[in-house]
Amino acid sequence: NAGVTQTPKFQVLKTGQSMTLQCAQDMNHEYMSWYRQDPGMGLRLIHYSVGAGITDQGEVPNGYNVSRSTTEDFPLRLLSAAPSQTSVYFCASSQPAGKDAFFGQGTRLTVV
Amino acid sequence: GENVEQHPSTLSVQEGDSAVIKCTYSDSASNYFPWYKQELGKRPQLIIDIRSNVGEKKDQRIAVTLNKTAKHFSLHITETQPEDSAVYFCAASRDSSYKLIFGSGTRLLVRP
Repeated sequence: NAGVTQTPKFQVLKTGQSMTLQCAQDMNHEYMSWYRQDPGMGLRLIHYSVGAGITDQGEVPNGYNVSRSTTEDFPLRLLSAAPSQTSVYFCASSQPAGKDAFFGQGTRLTVV
Repeated sequence: GENVEQHPSTLSVQEGDSAVIKCTYSDSASNYFPWYKQELGKRPQLIIDIRSNVGEKKDQRIAVTLNKTAKHFSLHITETQPEDSAVYFCAASRDSSYKLIFGSGTRLLVRP
């Protein structure tokens, strides 16, 4: 019973590098989302998807891209990492959409 | 845009005392209000939620109240225990929205 799986757990990037944070869920949830967590600011929504082939922007989408080619996977791409993107990233899924979100274990990203 | 404010940012109580965390929301169309608990280094996990057609909901030592007129909702923890120490987040969303908007979090410390 894996639930929501994120990889990697830790990552250090140099400014300007690109990378993809992976997220997979095995609960057949339609809704998936990415949040970033910064001290004193709670969880802020980056992008979300209501189903395969459908994505939309959240509160803080700049600098991030997403795609949803399958129900199970929802990768988050950083095209050109910046120090301001240093954060802990959480992927979440839910069913029905927007309710009872289950979170992955998080990815701690440091951009130097 | 949508906003959720959460107070206090930190709360320290003696074991056995009660703890209250309050949130206000800006979007009058919000009708779902979950609370998440995040232990140090772990993922947020849903502990209780309430929908707009209910004024209060209780689950053992945890209760949530909702005042739609004033647009605020609160988490009440009675007979606190050291294992209640964690960061608590409130959130709000609409039925028709696929977004959870989170408060900034409350760090609760229960002193033995």
